[in-house]
Amino acid sequence: GQSLEQPSEVTAVEGAIVQINCTYQTSGFYGLSWYQQHDGGAPTFLSYNGLDGLEETGRFSSFLSRSDSYGYLLLQELQMKDSASYFCAVQGGKLIFGQGTELSVKP
Amino acid sequence: GAVVSQHPSWVICKSGTSVKIECRSLDFQATTMFWYRQFPKQSLMLMATSNEGSKATYEQGVEKDKFLINHASLTLSTLTVTSAHPEDSSFYICSAPESGYEQYFGPGTRLTVT
Repeated sequence: GQSLEQPSEVTAVEGAIVQINCTYQTSGFYGLSWYQQHDGGAPTFLSYNGLDGLEETGRFSSFLSRSDSYGYLLLQELQMKDSASYFCAVQGGKLIFGQGTELSVKP
Repeated sequence: GAVVSQHPSWVICKSGTSVKIECRSLDFQATTMFWYRQFPKQSLMLMATSNEGSKATYEQGVEKDKFLINHASLTLSTLTVTSAHPEDSSFYICSAPESGYEQYFGPGTRLTVT
């Protein structure tokens, strides 16, 4: 089977940095993806790590350690519009999502 | 980026009736599409993998006779919820990979069964 664990909620202030961790147990692992979903909307792709290390895309970075079955999403210079749910997802032929982390950004 | 559409965006139906949801890839061909269900404040649960020209692959615990999936062309997959009941009320979302690892999601269909 497959399972992913991430914190259920995180709160931070504008301009801060926040890290959302994700641990996983799975078979057939190709990589770890991160998606953002605003209330009532569709998930949108943020980042993908197929290899160990850090991937940077603007204010967002994502990290993967295959040996530790662990990854994280780092959001810098937080803005109010970053308030959303963030999901890590295991890519292995199909995409399996974690439970999601609800990020609240306060002024 | 690639665009996936869904129709309808919301639907209300009476208990016992069937509802069809369409998922289209607008600017690319998708041999595979995925159907997810999401309850409020919960994660996206993969229901099934829709394969063009062949039978869908259902996840464990998903009733294939209740959730009928047809992938008739390279740009269209449909999900029919048969004999819908209030517990089927949910947000149904489809996705398709254009290439590689990125999935493009449709805007979702909110189903309410009364």
